[in-house]
Amino acid sequence: QLVLTQSPSASASLGASVTLTCTLSSGHSSYAIAWHQQQPEKGPRYLMKLNSDGSHYKGDGIPDRFSGSSSGAERYLTISSLQSEDEAEYYCQTWGTGILVFGTGTKVTVL
Amino acid sequence: QVQLVESGGGVVQPGRSLRLSCAASGFSFGSYAMHWVRQAPGKGLEWVAVISYDGGNIYYTASVRGRFTISRDNSKNTLYLQMNSLGVEDTAFYYCARDPFCSDGRCYPDHWGQGTLVTVSS
Repeated sequence: QLVLTQSPSASASLGASVTLTCTLSSGHSSYAIAWHQQQPEKGPRYLMKLNSDGSHYKGDGIPDRFSGSSSGAERYLTISSLQSEDEAEYYCQTWGTGILVFGTGTKVTVL
Repeated sequence: QVQLVESGGGVVQPGRSLRLSCAASGFSFGSYAMHWVRQAPGKGLEWVAVISYDGGNIYYTASVRGRFTISRDNSKNTLYLQMNSLGVEDTAFYYCARDPFCSDGRCYPDHWGQGTLVTVSS
């Protein structure tokens, strides 16, 4: 079964960096994922599609502070130079056979 | 710029029906797959359905299959979600989303609307 696992929360200080992890379930380590950001009371926003080789396709206007990388079954989103507006929920997402799957989300708090 | 504007949400009694619309602009609507994704208040994102650019391929999540119907009118740049036999568990914000990647066999939405709230309550 295709499952994406995310930690429920992460935090870092203003101006620091934070790395979020999304882990693909066994047998799916070659899958690409996408990262989506959801600020409070807003609709989601696409950040990037991230392939297993680490190549990625960012959305329009996504700052360079957002970067992605991959290692095995893990997909990472690193946010550098954290800003207050980065405080949000971050969801990873992938596609299985006829089904789109979301992780449970990681809430990022900017201290 | 890409714009997706959902409408049609509201309060509906259990067992009744509702149709949501998503008006698209700023891109060639007929060239993209489109999704509906929902989010119960305070909960995470849940995918509902996807329709290919021409309507030829459609998939649903298990919990709505047989009750919900996704469709599109490319001449009107509009996506629809017909929801029948609604239950309280269908209460959520409903978002439409564009997908440029489905044509390659796997789907990853890249633009989202702001959502419309559906409340199922007696």
